[in-house]
Amino acid sequence: GQNIDQPTEMTATEGAIVQINCTYQTSGFNGLFWYQQHAGEAPTFLSYNVLDGLEEKGRFSSFLSRSKGYSYLLLKELQMKDSASYLCAVGGAGSYQLTFGKGTKLSVIP
Amino acid sequence: GAGVSQSPRYKVAKRGQDVALRCDPISGHVSLFWYQQALGQGPEFLTYFQNEAQLDKSGLPSDRFFAERPEGSVSTLKIQRTQQEDSAVYLCASSLATGGHYEQYFGPGTRLTVT
Repeated sequence: GQNIDQPTEMTATEGAIVQINCTYQTSGFNGLFWYQQHAGEAPTFLSYNVLDGLEEKGRFSSFLSRSKGYSYLLLKELQMKDSASYLCAVGGAGSYQLTFGKGTKLSVIP
Repeated sequence: GAGVSQSPRYKVAKRGQDVALRCDPISGHVSLFWYQQALGQGPEFLTYFQNEAQLDKSGLPSDRFFAERPEGSVSTLKIQRTQQEDSAVYLCASSLATGGHYEQYFGPGTRLTVT
């Protein structure tokens, strides 16, 4: 089975940097995804990691350590519109389905 | 461009009623997924289609839940004899191909409330 843990809530200041952690324990692994979900809206894709290391995409970066079962999403130069839930999701080996964590609700304050 | 669409966006059903939720995936997307998202939780997998074939229905919570995708495009999730615990947002997602590393594109969801 899959077990994915991430903090329930975080608060950060506009313009700052925030790191959202995700740990996972899985019976197989075929990549880790981060999605952003604004309240009442669909999740939207942010990043995908399958190899160890850092993937950078504009203000967003995602890191993966497979040996530690650990990932983080780094958001730089925070903007008010970044207030949303951030979902960590793991794809199982040989599997197409994603197992999602409960999400981290990020509040960006002025 | 057209994304994944779902209808209705909101559905209120009385306990015991049957409901049908529709998903129009992105044109050409082979894979289609249904997820259930309870308030404050992440999406939970329900079922997966590759074209018209339902390859995995392990996440369907009971035999009251049924999904189909007869022509490999539009999909319908049907819930019979709805119960209060079925209240949730039902998300549909589609993906270009069949590999696990392909990004899933989500629709806006149908919020089902069972009274």
